[in-house]
Amino acid sequence: EIVLTQSPGTLSLSPGERATLSCRASQSVSSSYLGWYQQKPGQAPRLLVYDASNRATGIPDRFSGSGSGTDFTLTISRLEPEDFAVYYCQQYGDSPRTFGQGTKLEIK
Amino acid sequence: EVQLVQSGAEVKKPGESLKISCKGSGYSFTTYWIGWVRQMPGKGLEWMGIIYPGDSDTRYSPSFQGQVTISADKSISTAYLQWSSLRASDTAMYYCARLSVHSSSWRPFDPWGQGTLVTVSS
Repeated sequence: EIVLTQSPGTLSLSPGERATLSCRASQSVSSSYLGWYQQKPGQAPRLLVYDASNRATGIPDRFSGSGSGTDFTLTISRLEPEDFAVYYCQQYGDSPRTFGQGTKLEIK
Repeated sequence: EVQLVQSGAEVKKPGESLKISCKGSGYSFTTYWIGWVRQMPGKGLEWMGIIYPGDSDTRYSPSFQGQVTISADKSISTAYLQWSSLRASDTAMYYCARLSVHSSSWRPFDPWGQGTLVTVSS
């Protein structure tokens, strides 16, 4: 099973700042089948990025994904108030598919 | 518009059985894998398993194999998650979600249902 480790656990930033979230896999993720989700309190998760670097439909271009192999990054270029949430990575290239433990992005 | 609508919150006692549902609309239900994700109170997301409604091919995470049953009724575009004997540790929010591309099981979840809260308490 591929274990995904997200860091940091909590990230405290201000609106307008740049956020960099990390997801590290215990082994290489096949075909860069790595996605990122955003979850706000009381809501279902929402897909932001798939295949490591492709934005999902309707996702603002301030969100970008990068990486390959075992190291992946989600970058939010300029934080908006609505971006403060929990972010999860997920690999779907190996069985079982697995999620990281999440990074909470909070307002500083 | 693609939509997944889940059944309502449930309160059950340990040892009882339960089946929750997820109805898909706005797309070809039989040609997209659909799955379930658990989120225990205050915790992260856990991938439970997926099913292809077209032929009922089902894949489980080893953590959930034998603990739950995933099924689908393609005649009413509905997927199910069921337990034969609930435990207090099954208390969680359960999300259904469709895989993002038809026919492939190697895809992320998009979109998601609204979630079903299951509470198991004596």
